[in-house]
Amino acid sequence: NAGVTQTPKFRVLKTGQSMTLLCAQDMNHEYMYWYRQDPGMGLRLIHYSVGEGTTAKGEVPDGYNVSRLKKQNFLLGLESAAPSQTSVYFCASSSVYGTEAFFGQGTRLTVV
Amino acid sequence: RKEVEQDPGPFNVPEGATVAFNCTYSNSASQSFFWYRQDCRKEPKLLMSVYSSGNEDGRFTAQLNRASQYISLLIRDSKLSDSATYLCVVNFPRGGGNKLTFGTGTQLKVEL
Repeated sequence: NAGVTQTPKFRVLKTGQSMTLLCAQDMNHEYMYWYRQDPGMGLRLIHYSVGEGTTAKGEVPDGYNVSRLKKQNFLLGLESAAPSQTSVYFCASSSVYGTEAFFGQGTRLTVV
Repeated sequence: RKEVEQDPGPFNVPEGATVAFNCTYSNSASQSFFWYRQDCRKEPKLLMSVYSSGNEDGRFTAQLNRASQYISLLIRDSKLSDSATYLCVVNFPRGGGNKLTFGTGTQLKVEL
């Protein structure tokens, strides 16, 4: 039972580099989310998707882009990484928007 | 005012103690409520949903007070394995849909 899988688990980037975080879910969920978690800030929603081919902005979308070309995958892109994007990133999915969310293991990203 | 507020703790309690956490939310139109548990450097996982009538799952009891806009989590006979951060999560109506809003979490440390 894989659930929600994120890759990579760890990454160090230099300022200005780009990267893509991949999230895959095998639960046939319509809804997928990307959050970032910083000390004292809680989980903050970056972008979300309510179905294949759709995306929408969350609370903190600046500096990130997303794509949902296949129902099971949700990609988060950083075009030009900044130190302020150092964080732990969690992907999640749910069957209905705003109900119980299942999370991936997280990606620890450091931008130097 | 934050949309979901929790006491960050830490709450340090001896094994076997009873401990209670409270969480307040700002949006009276909120529709569903959850407690998630997050272990150190791990992803959040659903602990229990919170219903208007209150609900119990073993040593854990959740209560909702809509009039005062708070939810609570009571842990009885606490175990070392209960040490974690407990996240209060509220489903807010927002932008034509609903979304989960996470509190910053309350840290619990259960000690011998």
